Amino acid sequence: KQEVTQIPAALSVPEGENLVLNCSFTDSAIYNLQWFRQDPGKGLTSLLLIQSSQREQTSGRLNASLDKSSGRSTLYIAASQPGDSATYLCAPNTGFQKLVFGTGTRLLVSP
Amino acid sequence: DTGVSQNPRHKITKRGQNVTFRCDPISEHNRLYWYRQTLGQGPEFLTYFQNEAQLEKSRLLSDRFSAERPKGSFSTLEIQRTEQGDSAMYLCASSSGTKKSSDEQYFGPGTRLTVT
Repeated sequence: KQEVTQIPAALSVPEGENLVLNCSFTDSAIYNLQWFRQDPGKGLTSLLLIQSSQREQTSGRLNASLDKSSGRSTLYIAASQPGDSATYLCAPNTGFQKLVFGTGTRLLVSP
Repeated sequence: DTGVSQNPRHKITKRGQNVTFRCDPISEHNRLYWYRQTLGQGPEFLTYFQNEAQLEKSRLLSDRFSAERPKGSFSTLEIQRTEQGDSAMYLCASSSGTKKSSDEQYFGPGTRLTVT
């Protein structure tokens, strides 16, 4: 059974800092991994999808890396802004179209 | 393309009542998913459709839960005889289904259910 752990559980930083959010998963036989952000009481917004054959994927200030063999992914946020404040969730897909989520990292960026 | 939509956005019901939620996926997306999220937790998979066929159901989906996607477009999730433990955010997602393995899932805003 796939289990996903995200560290840290919460993070509070001043604006402008570069951040690294960590995600680890127990079953390395994945097809892809998605990173999402979730604002309080809202749905999930897809940030990046990284295929199992890829090592990195970039979108604007976001960069996700994947080390499938060790069961790890990181989300790098450059030059953080208050608007980045949200919960960030990672979700590997081990096939059968089912995403398995961690409990997320709650990020607060203060001005 | 307006994204995935869900209705209602909020539902308050009394224990024992039946409720039904609707999800409209992104146009021409073949795959549709339901997830449930409780406070402080990540979403948990409930069920998945490829067109109108329900291909997988989680053990979380008890006999009181039923999902349909009759014409391969919108989907409904019904909960019968609701219990307080059913209180959660119910999220719907869709994906294009063009890849044999898996593809990017896009989520709707969710329906928040409160059972009193």
